[in-house]
Parts: sequence; C-alpha cells; structure tokens
Amino acid sequence: NAGVMQNPRHLVRRRGQEARLRCSPMKGHSHVYWYRQLPEEGLKFMVYLQKENIIDESGMPKERFSAEFPKEGPSILRIQQVVRGDSAAYFCASSPVRLADYNEQFFGPGTRLTVL
Amino acid sequence: DQQVKQNSPSLSVQEGRISILNCDYTNSMFDYFLWYKKYPAEGPTFLISISSIKDKNEDGRFTVFLNKSAKHLSLHIVPSQPGDSAVYFCAAKTGANNLFFGTGTRLTVIP
Repeated sequence: NAGVMQNPRHLVRRRGQEARLRCSPMKGHSHVYWYRQLPEEGLKFMVYLQKENIIDESGMPKERFSAEFPKEGPSILRIQQVVRGDSAAYFCASSPVRLADYNEQFFGPGTRLTVL
Repeated sequence: DQQVKQNSPSLSVQEGRISILNCDYTNSMFDYFLWYKKYPAEGPTFLISISSIKDKNEDGRFTVFLNKSAKHLSLHIVPSQPGDSAVYFCAAKTGANNLFFGTGTRLTVIP
C-alpha cells in the first residue's frame, strides 16, 4: 500500500519560470492538503482540496499560486513566475475523510523547490 | 501569528535517558493535538496524539501530556534511543481543515 507520493523530489527553477509540483494521495484518500515549510520554520497550511474542488485556500498566496485536484490524476500545485522567496519544501498530505472528522494526515516526502 | 510554539529548537539527550519535548499553544479552540517525527529529506510521520478531553496518552516509549489550563503539552520519550534522533513537530487542529504546526525541536540522542 503505497503512501503519499510527490514528484519531483527536487526542483530547480530560475526566477520568472513556472514550477509544477505533483502529489498522488494514498489509495482510497480523496482529501489532499498542501503545506509549505520555509527554512527554520514549521509547516504552514496552504490549501485543502477534494476531487475537482478547492475546499479551503485560506493559506494560499493571492497571486501566482494555484492548485487543482482533477478527477483523474494527481493534485498539482502550480507556482507561476517564481521568486527567490518561493524556495521552500512543499509537502502534500492526504486523509480518507475530511480532517474535521478524522484526526490524522499522512504526509508525502516533499518537493524541495530552489529558485535561482 | 504562531498559534503553536516550540521554544526549544534543539535538545540533546544521552541514550537511555528521558527526552522531554515541549509545546505551547494560544488557541483555546484546539481540540486535538499530534506529534510528528521528521527525518531529513522525508515527510513528517505521525507519532502520537491526544484529544483535548484527556490529559495523558501513552504508546510504548512515548507519552504525551496535556495541560489545558496552561495551554501546554509535552512529549516524553523513555528510554531514548539513537534512532529517535529527528525533528519533532507539535501540531494542533480545531474543527477546520488543516493542522497548525510548531517550528520543531531537533532531538539528538547521544549513544
């Protein structure tokens, strides 16, 4: 039973390029959460999605960031026109039902984004 | 606004002794608390949790204590083992859709 999978594990982009981060939740999980961890900080919530729906994007920067979780395929976190401040580790987590009715999220290994 | 705080960025303990990791929070609406363990280049792994209606939960070498009046929880690891060396994150949830994480404490268990 594979866990949460993220790819790529490492991504290097130049300023102004686009970054696409992918997350495949655990089998049977339809709830996906994205977190960002800046250096020396804890994980900060960005967005919560169910299949084809964004449920909560209260932690998402208003510009340049978007997320989707299509009916088929992985969830995608997209960062347009990246800047150096976007350099961070991006973690995806999944749960079988919404977190309010459950008490645990299962995390992927993360994608380390470096913006040159 | 950091609602979950881990004020000790690092802790070193001798193998076989007790490790105590501390966590403070400010939001009285938190109803569930979790500890995650993280190795380098990996994602956080769930370790142990506690509901706000309890004051203690034990699982093998790991025990979490919750003091609601002080808005404080702690993770005790006894006896500590070298394989316990990792970064430990305290996290909390309300009825909302995400976890609130502390900044982590790096535990080093010295053989």
